[in-house]
Amino acid sequence: GAVVSQHPSRVICKSGTSVKIECRSLDFQATTMFWYRQFPKKSLMLMATSNEGSKATYEQGVEKDKFLINHASLTLSTLTVTSAHPEDSSFYICSARDGSRGDQETQYFGPGTRLLVL
Amino acid sequence: GQNIDQPTEMTATEGAIVQINCTYQTSGFNGLFWYQQHAGEAPTFLSYNVLDGLEEKGRFSSFLSRSKGYSYLLLKELQMKDSASYLCAVMDSNYQLIWGAGTKLIIKP
Repeated sequence: GAVVSQHPSRVICKSGTSVKIECRSLDFQATTMFWYRQFPKKSLMLMATSNEGSKATYEQGVEKDKFLINHASLTLSTLTVTSAHPEDSSFYICSARDGSRGDQETQYFGPGTRLLVL
Repeated sequence: GQNIDQPTEMTATEGAIVQINCTYQTSGFNGLFWYQQHAGEAPTFLSYNVLDGLEEKGRFSSFLSRSKGYSYLLLKELQMKDSASYLCAVMDSNYQLIWGAGTKLIIKP
């Protein structure tokens, strides 16, 4: 089945620094990738949707200058948390949609990246 | 390797009961999640089980057997709005989420 990976799996950084999280589709071309944030035992909060080769679409309340998303290829999307603060500490999850399938509903989820900002 | 299995699609009748099964093989276990996802929307948290047994929350219940690597989500008094995909995910020993492919539940009148 389709596999989505994330790197790093966990990261600890100092307040004020930037952190880049990668999301890769390993055996399919992902025309659309989604970035979510999850709080403990809570629903996933959609942050943004990125389509390969175009600008990401951010959800209301998500600062696009703080959470930079790049979807430069059909297998890679990156989320950069700029000038990270302790309140940005969270579990970030990406998902990808297989562009070759007719099914536009199925998303494949990554394992998540745990970010801790000190 | 790590693996989560759940049926691809299920059909049930409005007002009935449906059970969605999930079996898993993971390196370590730090809990099992069930999410509901309507088309075009973000997954909604339904339940979290880390100990064996049944957790009931309104019309939805979730069961876990760690020794069998097995969980199910039970939906009672089905409503049309329950038509959605149901995702099973296990958190492994590294606190990474291993996701099932999701079960598409179709509710018929």
